[in-house]
Amino acid sequence: QKEVEQDPGPLSVPEGAIVSLNCTYSNSAFQYFMWYRQYSRKGPELLMYTYSSGNKEDGRFTAQVDKSSKYISLFIRDSQPSDSATYLCAMYNTDKLIFGTGTRLQVFP
Amino acid sequence: GAVVSQHPSWVICKSGTSVKIECRSLDFQATTMFWYRQFPKQSLMLMATSNEGSKATYEQGVEKDKFLINHASLTLSTLTVTSAHPEDSSFYICSARAGEGYGYTFGSGTRLTVV
Repeated sequence: QKEVEQDPGPLSVPEGAIVSLNCTYSNSAFQYFMWYRQYSRKGPELLMYTYSSGNKEDGRFTAQVDKSSKYISLFIRDSQPSDSATYLCAMYNTDKLIFGTGTRLQVFP
Repeated sequence: GAVVSQHPSWVICKSGTSVKIECRSLDFQATTMFWYRQFPKQSLMLMATSNEGSKATYEQGVEKDKFLINHASLTLSTLTVTSAHPEDSSFYICSARAGEGYGYTFGSGTRLTVV
């Protein structure tokens, strides 16, 4: 079993839709949770960074962490074509960052 | 915000030669930098952790004699792919963290093609 599981997609939605991206994990020691956005042939860009359980909102993006279920989510409201990218969840406890496989998202006009 | 610069962004080399990739933290000091490898449509796989002034820690299965990592200062780490083979062709990405409680900042990646 992988430490972090993420549906690879692809996920295709119309512009303006609400997008839900999810990851599950097996290591209960993870405390820091992140979402990265990666455009083709570019390095990942940090979108959201949360510690422990709860919600965090930043503009159109909301990150949720449910440690009891070992489940994290990223919601994108009013999705735009420019949001088309691969979204990777990541988490760590000590000094090793573990990534999900990434979900490819396409937002069409 | 924290910025990490990675160069070159794209390189082609012949089999048997060596290639050096640089990773610089531009506006913060990074005591620890990380090197990843990413195959098409796959996630990032950690290759090694680079600590300033000490030897890098390699992940299981990564050949330390093939992938030489040097972290000579708090703002610069280099990855040298020695005696490159076509199977070394991949996307290499570095990252750095400004400190405890900060997220990891990634470079823009280097696409290596060995012919």
